[in-house]
Amino acid sequence: RKEVEQDPGPFNVPEGATVAFNCTYSNSASQSFFWYRQDCRKEPKLLMSVYSSGNEDGRFTAQLNRASQYISLLIRDSKLSDSATYLCVVNGRETGFQKLVFGTGTRLLVSP
Amino acid sequence: DAGVIQSPRHEVTEMGQEVTLRCKPISGHNSLFWYRQTMMRGLELLIYFNNNVPIDDSGMPEDRFSAKMPNASFSTLKIQPSEPRDSAVYFCASKGRQGVQETQYFGPGTRLLVL
Repeated sequence: RKEVEQDPGPFNVPEGATVAFNCTYSNSASQSFFWYRQDCRKEPKLLMSVYSSGNEDGRFTAQLNRASQYISLLIRDSKLSDSATYLCVVNGRETGFQKLVFGTGTRLLVSP
Repeated sequence: DAGVIQSPRHEVTEMGQEVTLRCKPISGHNSLFWYRQTMMRGLELLIYFNNNVPIDDSGMPEDRFSAKMPNASFSTLKIQPSEPRDSAVYFCASKGRQGVQETQYFGPGTRLLVL
């Protein structure tokens, strides 16, 4: 079983739609959680951290369910510029929480 | 802030040749990571350094791969000899604080093609 699992998609949505991505992780000792965004032929970039109480950044909302080892990302009012691959990322207790484990990503395509 | 700098951005070489990838982390970041990304395997951690010391190289595929960090502002990843299956995008990342959490900042990557 992969440490971090995501639906690869693609998710095809029209502009203005709301879309949600899910991610599960296997290491119950994981302490930090993130969503990264990667545009085609670019490097991954931090989109937002995920906090236990859930958090929001503009149109983006992230949720964490530690009991189910489940992370979600909700995007409201999708824009064309949201088209990208979204990577779910967790870290773990090994080596002092230094290592990040990346999911393979969920691809989002927003169309006019 | 210049961000993480990698060179070269693109490299095309022939099987058997030595390849050296270079990285300059963000100033003040104490941890540096080398990743490889392919369509099939996604983003894989190869090795990481803390204060210039290699901490975990369990992701290095085999002895053909080696990495060094001679000082806080420079690291290299070397493949010798290179093979076609090494073709991938190689990212370097350094770790620092954004808000209340530390996370990793990636360089633009080196696209390696081994013929």
